[in-house]
Amino acid sequence: AQKVTQAQTEISVVEKEDVTLDCVYETRDTTYYLFWYKQPPSGELVFLIRRNSFDEQNEISGRYSWNFQKSTSSFNFTITASQVVDSAVYFCALSQPYGNKLVFGAGTILRVKS
Amino acid sequence: NAGVTQTPKFQVLKTGQSMTLQCAQDMNHEYMSWYRQDPGMGLRLIHYSVGAGITDQGEVPNGYNVSRSTTEDFPLRLLSAAPSQTSVYFCASSYQRGGPGELFFGEGSRLTVL
Repeated sequence: AQKVTQAQTEISVVEKEDVTLDCVYETRDTTYYLFWYKQPPSGELVFLIRRNSFDEQNEISGRYSWNFQKSTSSFNFTITASQVVDSAVYFCALSQPYGNKLVFGAGTILRVKS
Repeated sequence: NAGVTQTPKFQVLKTGQSMTLQCAQDMNHEYMSWYRQDPGMGLRLIHYSVGAGITDQGEVPNGYNVSRSTTEDFPLRLLSAAPSQTSVYFCASSYQRGGPGELFFGEGSRLTVL
């Protein structure tokens, strides 16, 4: 069975601080896909990144970066120089290679204070 | 493009009533799915479909029915509403090319069962 654990229920930081959101996953598949989604206070779900299990390169997109480590089954998300607009719930998710049946973690609430 | 459209956005039901949440997508995606979001539990898959005429159960299917008569539409039916079905429901669609693509979510439907 697949499982995603986001151990941090809630994180509060002050603007401009760096913050890392942890994601640990469990799967028996050798091929799988990992995702991060953002849910701002308005409630919609915004796609951030998709990564397959064969691509272990870290990725950077502006202030966002992702660290994928198969050895520890982790796919952590770092926001550099956080801003108030980053306040949201962030979900990590895992999928098998077919079917698009995502298994989501419980989410981490990020509060960025000015 | 409208993307994924869900209706209604809000609904209050009494225990035992039935209703249908509508979902339509205009991106010609093969995959469609329904998730429910409950506090502290992330999103959980209710039912999904890999194409017209094909549906299957997700993690929490009890009390819900789906059908997929067209590529565009994927309604979710609550047969006899229970307070435990109070939740926010998200419909999603996605493609499959070289692995699962990102899920495109609707805006969500907040359902309260009294």
